[in-house]
Amino acid sequence: GAVVSQHPSWVICKSGTSVKIECRSLDFQATTMFWYRQFPKQSLMLMATSNEGSKATYEQGVEKDKFLINHASLTLSTLTVTSAHPEDSSFYICSARLGRGTEAFFGQGTRLTVV
Amino acid sequence: AQSVTQLDSQVPVFEEAPVELRCNYSSSVSVYLFWYVQYPNQGLQLLLKYLSGSTLVKGINGFEAEFNKSQTSFHLRKPSVHISDTAEYFCAVSERGGNTGKLIFGQGTTLQVKP
Repeated sequence: GAVVSQHPSWVICKSGTSVKIECRSLDFQATTMFWYRQFPKQSLMLMATSNEGSKATYEQGVEKDKFLINHASLTLSTLTVTSAHPEDSSFYICSARLGRGTEAFFGQGTRLTVV
Repeated sequence: AQSVTQLDSQVPVFEEAPVELRCNYSSSVSVYLFWYVQYPNQGLQLLLKYLSGSTLVKGINGFEAEFNKSQTSFHLRKPSVHISDTAEYFCAVSERGGNTGKLIFGQGTTLQVKP
């Protein structure tokens, strides 16, 4: 199957700093990527849909100025958590689809801890 | 809008016993259905999917699921589980023919296989 690589796998940062998470589709072009957030023992909550070459579409309640998403190429989307706070600590997962009606391939996730 | 309900938050079962993880969905439009598995601190791996055709879908690792349109269900089954099947399982839907293809996840079911 297609491979989606997410980097870093884990990161610890100080409160007030910014952190960038990368999501790459290694062997296919993804016009659309998705960013999810997962709290411990909970389901995945969609944060935003990232479209190559255009602005991301954020879900209701997600602060677009805090969670900056860039999809500069067909194989790379980035999520930047700006001015991170401890409540932003979570597991962030990206996914990419080959096309409509096809399965989504997920990255391995990034564990963010803000101290 | 779509929603997904996984009726059991935890399912304990002994090794080599059969298991069923239940999933019900709600949608005003036709949907695609998916089951994913997540191991600790990892992304999601697709087990199986229903797009169209036969309502009985076979997936990886001996899992299968049956789409029941009248009951709006997509229960996951395995006739004999292994210790290695211990993980978190997520049922998900996406709108058939939708523009974004975003996935809506259920709350997850923890499968605990005991020796």
